[in-house]
Amino acid sequence: EAQVTQNPRYLITVTGKKLTVTCSQNMNHEYMSWYRQDPGLGLRQIYYSMNVEVTDKGDVPEGYKVSRKEKRNFPLILESPSPNQTSLYFCASSLYNPSSGNTIYFGEGSWLTVV
Amino acid sequence: GQQVMQIPQYQHVQEGEDFTTYCNSSTTLSNIQWYKQRPGGHPVFLIQLVKSGEVKKQKRLTFQFGEAKKNSSLHITATQTTDVGTYFCAGNTGTASKLTFGTGTRLQVTL
Repeated sequence: EAQVTQNPRYLITVTGKKLTVTCSQNMNHEYMSWYRQDPGLGLRQIYYSMNVEVTDKGDVPEGYKVSRKEKRNFPLILESPSPNQTSLYFCASSLYNPSSGNTIYFGEGSWLTVV
Repeated sequence: GQQVMQIPQYQHVQEGEDFTTYCNSSTTLSNIQWYKQRPGGHPVFLIQLVKSGEVKKQKRLTFQFGEAKKNSSLHITATQTTDVGTYFCAGNTGTASKLTFGTGTRLQVTL
């Protein structure tokens, strides 16, 4: 089954404790990205990757890191989480750049709370 | 930067009433996509519009792309409780490598 899998789905952590949210897709998609969803703000892009070893900042990259060592994986790293990073995070993938009209497939979401 | 706004932010209708959400961009869009997110779920692709003035239908849903390609709308005829969720538009100018999502419209339908 074609899917985007992210883990963990739910996490409560403390300020400053590094964490990684993993994301994996099995559709051989070249494009992957991370979004955060907050009430009234919609979906905002954090980082995206056009292909292996190619990453770029989205609209809200501060406080986050990503890597794309393999085509299928695109982990999101919070080196020193802060409470304002409490949010619902979505990993997503697309065959190619979605700005060219390719459909985006989203993971199930990861609820992150930083206390 | 490019902004995509949606109105209303929230709408509550009774089952059987119609519903419309509007998406407006500050710049011309090369294409626009619509997604639906059920409560507790993730966004799921509904449709893409590319041509100026394009209209597409999916059963009770009608999607329009404005003539100037700066706005779009989603109209639901005779809403049902299964229509509950948040509807997002997403578009790009064609010069950027990313799709910008609208702020979303949350639809609540009651019996």
